[in-house]
Amino acid sequence: GQSLEQPSEVTAVEGAIVQINCTYQTSGFYGLSWYQQHDGGAPTFLSYNGLDGLEETGRFSSFLSRSDSYGYLLLQELQMKDSASYFCAVRAGSSNTGKLIFGQGTTLQVKP
Amino acid sequence: NAGVTQTPKFQVLKTGQSMTLQCAQDMNHEYMSWYRQDPGMGLRLIHYSVGAGITDQGEVPNGYNVSRSTTEDFPLRLLSAAPSQTSVYFCASSPTSGRAKEQFFGPGTRLTVL
Repeated sequence: GQSLEQPSEVTAVEGAIVQINCTYQTSGFYGLSWYQQHDGGAPTFLSYNGLDGLEETGRFSSFLSRSDSYGYLLLQELQMKDSASYFCAVRAGSSNTGKLIFGQGTTLQVKP
Repeated sequence: NAGVTQTPKFQVLKTGQSMTLQCAQDMNHEYMSWYRQDPGMGLRLIHYSVGAGITDQGEVPNGYNVSRSTTEDFPLRLLSAAPSQTSVYFCASSPTSGRAKEQFFGPGTRLTVL
């Protein structure tokens, strides 16, 4: 089966940097994705890592180590609007059209 | 493009009733999926489809049926609603090539089963 683990809650102050970790166990692996979800809203795509290393998109970066089955999302220059839930997700199975499985999510609270 | 649309936005059912949650996308995406999200929880995959006529089970398929007769539509049927199916249901779609990594979500259907 597949499983993903991430911290349930993280708190940080405005302007700071925060890292949200994700470890996964899956049969077949076709990349690690990150999604953001504000209260009451739909998840929106943030970042994707198919290969080892760092991907940067503005204030957000994501890292993957396939040998460690580990990735993280790094949020820099935190803003109040970054308060949301963040989910890691893996596409698992026998091909890159396999099912996309989500972690339980990390609630980030940004304080002034 | 409207993206991924879901109807209804809200629904209240009585135990034992059946209903269909509608999902449509206008992006010509091959891959479509249904998730449920319980309060404070992550998204759990119910069923998914990699193209018209092809569906497969996700993590929590019991009590739900799907079909995919067209690329655009992927309805989710609750056969006999139970209180345990009270949840927010999200439909999502993505291409299977190119930008396959990015999944687009609909606004969700909030379902309460009494």
